[in-house]
Amino acid sequence: DIQMTQSPSTLSASVGDRVTITCRASQSISSWLAWYQQKPGKAPKLLIYKASSLEGGVPSRFSGSGSGTEFTLTISSLQPDDFATYYCQQYNSYRTFGQGTKVEIK
Amino acid sequence: QVQLQESGPGLVKPSETLSLTCTVSGDSVSSGNYYWSWIRQPPGKGLEWIGYIQNSGSTNCNPSLKSRVTFSADTSKNQFSLKLSSVTAADTAVYYCARDNGYRLGYFDFWGQGTLVTVSS
Repeated sequence: DIQMTQSPSTLSASVGDRVTITCRASQSISSWLAWYQQKPGKAPKLLIYKASSLEGGVPSRFSGSGSGTEFTLTISSLQPDDFATYYCQQYNSYRTFGQGTKVEIK
Repeated sequence: QVQLQESGPGLVKPSETLSLTCTVSGDSVSSGNYYWSWIRQPPGKGLEWIGYIQNSGSTNCNPSLKSRVTFSADTSKNQFSLKLSSVTAADTAVYYCARDNGYRLGYFDFWGQGTLVTVSS
């Protein structure tokens, strides 16, 4: 099984900050990685697929990069609506999610 | 716009079978372009993929749940379903259905709102 490990688990930041979340795969997954945003009581929302492709309607302040085993999600300038939990997900073999990174207000 | 809606009992007794249905609108479960997945999230925890069904009826699932999971689809109602047998308290979770983009595109672009299933006597 492919394990996905996100860091940090919690991130405290302020509006306007540049935020980076890391996701590591236990083996190479090429670029078969997606990122989601989840707010309390809501379903996850797709942000990024194929490691760096922005889903339609998602603000351009979100970006993804990486390949192989290491990936990052960057929010270039954190907005009030961005405080949420973020998950990575691999789809190279079955589907596996990371444990999540909560972005909270500093 | 694609919409998915989960339905089923919110309370299941231990050792019994959890049964959920997802009704799809704006797309067809018989379309060959997508898979149709189930994902769950225990309260306060992360997401776990359960598995999917394809238009052909082929299925695939999380190896950790394989012995307990059954998927089916009713194309006449544009629905797909999940059965999870021998449930325990560890199966208490919000269950989501989602559209899976399929082979080499296995991300989830549309999700249902989720339904909480509690396993308790």
